[in-house]
Amino acid sequence: GAVVSQHPSWVICKSGTSVKIECRSLDFQATTMFWYRQFPKQSLMLMATSNEGSKATYEQGVEKDKFLINHASLTLSTLTVTSAHPEDSSFYICSVLGLYEQYFGPGTRLTVT
Amino acid sequence: DQQVKQNSPSLSVQEGRISILNCDYTNSMFDYFLWYKKYPAEGPTFLISISSIKDKNEDGRFTVFLNKSAKHLSLHIVPSQPGDSAVYFCVPQGAQKLVFGQGTRLTINP
Repeated sequence: GAVVSQHPSWVICKSGTSVKIECRSLDFQATTMFWYRQFPKQSLMLMATSNEGSKATYEQGVEKDKFLINHASLTLSTLTVTSAHPEDSSFYICSVLGLYEQYFGPGTRLTVT
Repeated sequence: DQQVKQNSPSLSVQEGRISILNCDYTNSMFDYFLWYKKYPAEGPTFLISISSIKDKNEDGRFTVFLNKSAKHLSLHIVPSQPGDSAVYFCVPQGAQKLVFGQGTRLTINP
């Protein structure tokens, strides 16, 4: 399966600042990547589908101007949380769509103070 | 609109016994069902899957059963091992999108 990394693994930022999270597909050229969010004791919720070279498709209720996604290459997608607020504190996980299934990164814990 | 329900948030099983995790879904358009395992502060890892045209798939200690008429699937782990302690997500797939259930925290007691 595909090996997926995320950076950073955890980040603390102040309210009002922006944070960029990277998702890399290390051994697979990923045309499609997904971004999920998981709040404590809740399930993973799909935020957006990222396609290389085109605009991301956001799920209902996810603000595209707040969660900026860039998928400029087949190995890298980035999620930028703009003007972060404490309610954005969550576990953000990306995944890569392989031939038959999705392969998940290790996740990034974001804490906004 | 909960399309996937895992009604047992937690399950505790003795080592060596069988663990049975259940899942119900509402969308009959799902064509593929996956189970993912997740440890704290890590991403989910794929465990086993089943196509909607089958009713059983087995892989080592793990077996998934699908009852399409009841819109129900279950994951059986036997024998259960301490390393199986994790959160298990039932994840139906439709149009390449995964829909995660709420998860069941499985604890295997030695």
